[in-house]
Amino acid sequence: DTGVSQDPRHKITKRGQNVTFRCDPISEHNRLYWYRQTLGQGPEFLTYFQNEAQLEKSRLLSDRFSAERPKGSFSTLEIQRTEQGDSAMYLCASSLEQGADEQYFGPGTRLTVT
Amino acid sequence: AQSVTQLGSHVSVSEGALVLLRCNYSSSVPPYLFWYVQYPNQGLQLLLKYTSAATLVKGINGFEAEFKKSETSFHLTKPSAHMSDAAEYFCAVATWRGKLTFGTGTRLTIIP
Repeated sequence: DTGVSQDPRHKITKRGQNVTFRCDPISEHNRLYWYRQTLGQGPEFLTYFQNEAQLEKSRLLSDRFSAERPKGSFSTLEIQRTEQGDSAMYLCASSLEQGADEQYFGPGTRLTVT
Repeated sequence: AQSVTQLGSHVSVSEGALVLLRCNYSSSVPPYLFWYVQYPNQGLQLLLKYTSAATLVKGINGFEAEFKKSETSFHLTKPSAHMSDAAEYFCAVATWRGKLTFGTGTRLTIIP
């Protein structure tokens, strides 16, 4: 069990640039979640997938954000035209099923927009 | 809508003393409740979860939490604090779809 991995761990970009993050869940997990965490706050839900289907998106996820999980395995989160307010830790988690199943979190990608 | 309130953004206890971190939830349906711990620059690690079985839940590293429906609480305790317990702790409530709603966190400091 290699756990949930995320790449890159850190990303510094200039305002207006596009960035893409990758998440590799635990291999047998069907559910994949993205959260965003800003300094001093708890993680906030962004979106989740059941296999390759994106089932829910938070209103926090503006049209500049897009997430995919094309083959039901790894997922990508893209932010277009980054803004300074996008600076945060982006966390990925996976679980076997829904509800009571615990989510296993990756180490996160810290994004800094200058 | 579900929500979680963590009372006390910072808690300091002496090494060996009781740890008590408070969490109150709001949910229109029987909740799934979780406590996670986060060490600096790391992801979250599950400490324990409540899923409508036993109301007293034991977790890793000597932590436990008691679900009290009448008080809508799920406080986290540990009888004797250790220096390695210093971290940020998050209480969370989940929907049946698994989406987690987190509290704002409590930073635990252990005084030698």
